[in-house]
Amino acid sequence: AQSVAQPEDQVNVAEGNPLTVKCTYSVSGNPYLFWYVQYPNRGLQFLLKYITGDNLVKGSYGFEAEFNKSQTSFHLKKPSALVSDSALYFCAVRVQVLTGGGNKLTFGTGTQLKVEL
Amino acid sequence: GAVVSQHPSRVICKSGTSVKIECRSLDFQATTMFWYRQFPKQSLMLMATSNEGSKATYEQGVEKDKFLINHASLTLSTLTVTSAHPEDSSFYICSAREPGPSGTGELFFGEGSRLTVL
Repeated sequence: AQSVAQPEDQVNVAEGNPLTVKCTYSVSGNPYLFWYVQYPNRGLQFLLKYITGDNLVKGSYGFEAEFNKSQTSFHLKKPSALVSDSALYFCAVRVQVLTGGGNKLTFGTGTQLKVEL
Repeated sequence: GAVVSQHPSRVICKSGTSVKIECRSLDFQATTMFWYRQFPKQSLMLMATSNEGSKATYEQGVEKDKFLINHASLTLSTLTVTSAHPEDSSFYICSAREPGPSGTGELFFGEGSRLTVL
C-alpha cells in the first residue's frame, strides 16, 4: 500500500520569507510524486511532479520540491513567500501500475499555508 | 495546461432526489477519470475510477448503486448521486489523466461541485 504524510496541518510564514511544506511517502516501488494547491471551494491545481531524473523539480509560481529517496521525502519549497500563496497544499504519490488504467493517486491530508504581511 | 470542466459548481437538492455531476476534459481525451470526495478540512478520498466504455471501479466502502458513474465518451464522465441524503452533502471533485506512457500523464482536476442535500 502507498501512503503520504503531511505532518503539519498549518504552516505560517511572513511574506518574503522562505517557506517549506513537508511531505513524506511510503510506497513499494518507484514513486511518482506530486504537489497540488487548492484555493477555497476550488479544484486542485497542479504545481509540480517528480517522475525521474533530477531530484530538484521546479514548478509553477516559483515553487520547487526536492526528491530525497533516502529520507522518502518530497518537501515543497519557495524562496520568498507571497500572501497570494496562502492556500491548501496537497502532496500525492502513486506507483506505476503497468496493467489497467488505475494508477491511483494517494493524497496526504493537506497543509494549510498562511502567508502574512 | 489541460482543462477539466466540472458542472455544476454548486447544487442544492431535496433529500431523496438524484443529482448528476458532469466532468469533461476539454482539450484531451481521457480514457480514465477519477471521482473524489472531500470533506471539510480533509483530504480527497478516491471514490471510483471511471473507465471509458466499461464499468467503473469503486473503492472499498463506496456504494456503487448510490454513486452511479458513467464514462460514455473519451471526454465525459458523470457521477449521479441517487436518492441523496444530507450525509451525501460534500465537495465532489473529478480528475482526468492526460495521455502519457505508462500512466505518467498529469492529472488535471475539475473545479469541484459542492452538493448540499436538504
